[in-house]
Amino acid sequence: SQQGEEDPQALSIQEGENATMNCSYKTSINNLQWYRQNSGRGLVHLILIRSNEREKHSGRLRVTLDTSKKSSSLLITASRAADTASYFCATDAVDSNYQLIWGAGTKLIIKP
Amino acid sequence: DTGVSQDPRHKITKRGQNVTFRCDPISEHNRLYWYRQTLGQGPEFLTYFQNEAQLEKSRLLSDRFSAERPKGSFSTLEIQRTEQGDSAMYLCASSMTGGRSPLHFGNGTRLTVT
Repeated sequence: SQQGEEDPQALSIQEGENATMNCSYKTSINNLQWYRQNSGRGLVHLILIRSNEREKHSGRLRVTLDTSKKSSSLLITASRAADTASYFCATDAVDSNYQLIWGAGTKLIIKP
Repeated sequence: DTGVSQDPRHKITKRGQNVTFRCDPISEHNRLYWYRQTLGQGPEFLTYFQNEAQLEKSRLLSDRFSAERPKGSFSTLEIQRTEQGDSAMYLCASSMTGGRSPLHFGNGTRLTVT
């Protein structure tokens, strides 16, 4: 079963613009993770935010977490063509026994 | 750190045949996971090892699927009597023990059952 739901399902923006993707989930979590997947490849871990954190930065990435709303957002600033990929959130639920639960992803297209 | 490697990258097989995939995790990682992913979906958990012990297996996983991790190093995933519905990308990931560490994925094995 999939707990996370990403929104939007697809996003197309011009290079240089900012891209925001959202993730909602259902149960209490230890942490929430964002991953990127280029077409036909495996997933690459981007950032992990713990349940007691509200915001985290890594380079051009900014992740926020609102545990009261059970939601997270991923912001990519100054997008580049190489950011074209699918982005997934995965939740490490409190009772999960280390099993991440994944959403269906947001497909991001950066137009040059 | 050479990353997680999976073999083969692609496999085409006829319905009813058995297939086996291999995963070599990052050497110092104790945990190893198998996932299945279909187009437009996130990864679906199949099974998980800590060292050589298979600790969890998805309830959705048919008994045609079996996984092993002898000696806690590489792992194999076998699908017996393949069906067209088994066509998917099979992903392997590994992680460190000690806390809830992020997963490192291989590039997957794409299975097509004709």
